[in-house]
Amino acid sequence: EDQVTQSPEALRLQEGESSSLNCSYTVSGLRGLFWYRQDPGKGPEFLFTLYSAGEEKEKERLKATLTKKESFLHITAPKPEDSATYLCAVTQGGSEKLVFGKGMKLTVNP
Amino acid sequence: NAGVTQTPKFQVLKTGQSMTLQCAQDMNHNSMYWYRQDPGMGLRLIYYSASEGTTDKGEVPNGYNVSRLNKREFSLRLESAAPSQTSVYFCASRVTQDQPQHFGDGTRLSIL
Repeated sequence: EDQVTQSPEALRLQEGESSSLNCSYTVSGLRGLFWYRQDPGKGPEFLFTLYSAGEEKEKERLKATLTKKESFLHITAPKPEDSATYLCAVTQGGSEKLVFGKGMKLTVNP
Repeated sequence: NAGVTQTPKFQVLKTGQSMTLQCAQDMNHNSMYWYRQDPGMGLRLIYYSASEGTTDKGEVPNGYNVSRLNKREFSLRLESAAPSQTSVYFCASRVTQDQPQHFGDGTRLSIL
């Protein structure tokens, strides 16, 4: 069964304290791995798509990387506005379905 | 610049009542999806429509029905609501399988 596991479940950082979020997956024929950000009371907001091992994408203080078994979301010098729940999801080739992890709640204290 | 629009935003029902959640997208996307999100469970797929005129079951379809009314609209119906269906419901759409899904802001549904 396809599975996506995110760790840690929750993370508290001080402003400026860099860290990484992990998303491990077990799926054959990965078609794409997606990172989303979700703010309270809102729907998930798309951040990145990664398609193949070795690929990296960056946006402001966020950088996503992909290996054959996991993806990392690196947060460099985070700010309080980076506080949110970060979701990871994968899709398998030939499938319409997107399988989500349970998410990781990030809190950045000023 | 609306993207995916869901109505209503909030709803309270009594057990046994029925209702339809509406979703519309203005991005000319082919595929549309309904998810529910519960604490500790993540997002779970209820039903999806890969193209206009087709619908398929997802992970948790029991107690729900869907209609792909046209390319823009995809509705979710609860025929006889149960307390276990209390959740936040999200609609999403995307162009093709390797493109990201774009989400609405959800309908918060409570069933008493």
